[in-house]
Amino acid sequence: KQEVTQIPAALSVPEGENLVLNCSFTDSAIYNLQWFRQDPGKGLTSLLLIQSSQREQTSGRLNASLDKSSGRSTLYIAASQPGDSATYLCAALHGSGNTGKLIFGQGTTLQVKP
Amino acid sequence: EAGVTQSPTHLIKTRGQQVTLRCSPISGHTSVYWYQQALGLGLQFLLWYDEGEERNRGNFPPRFSGRQFPNYSSELNVNALELEDSALYLCASSHLGWGPNYGYTFGSGTRLTVV
Repeated sequence: KQEVTQIPAALSVPEGENLVLNCSFTDSAIYNLQWFRQDPGKGLTSLLLIQSSQREQTSGRLNASLDKSSGRSTLYIAASQPGDSATYLCAALHGSGNTGKLIFGQGTTLQVKP
Repeated sequence: EAGVTQSPTHLIKTRGQQVTLRCSPISGHTSVYWYQQALGLGLQFLLWYDEGEERNRGNFPPRFSGRQFPNYSSELNVNALELEDSALYLCASSHLGWGPNYGYTFGSGTRLTVV
């Protein structure tokens, strides 16, 4: 059974700091892994998608890595800003991708202080 | 390009009533997924529809059901509402035919409160 865990559950940093959010999954047979952002009471915004054959993806100040052998993914945020404050969720699509079922972590709630 | 749209945005229902939530996927997307985000429970997979067929179902009772229409829009129906059904219901869409590069795009959700 695929389980996804995110550490830490909450993080508070001063503006400008570089930070890393961690995501671990129990079954290395994943199809892809997606990072999302969720603002309070809102839907999910997709940040980065990493296919199982890829090692990392970059978008602006964000960089996500994937290490299937260790069952880990990280989201690196460079030069954090107060607008980055949100909950960040990672989600794994298992196996051949034909279940349609994303397994989500519980999220890391990030606060960036001005 | 319009994103995934959900309606209504907020809903208050009484225990025992029935509710219907609606979702329109991104144009060209054939798959629609429903997720429940209840307080303290995280995001849980409910249903997956593709090409009008139910493809997979999460661990939810039969009173949670839905359908997908020929234009790929979808409805989620919940019968005999219980207090524990209070949650944010999120819809997502994707295009399976795009192969390994597809990802899920989520809507803004419907906040259901059962009193």
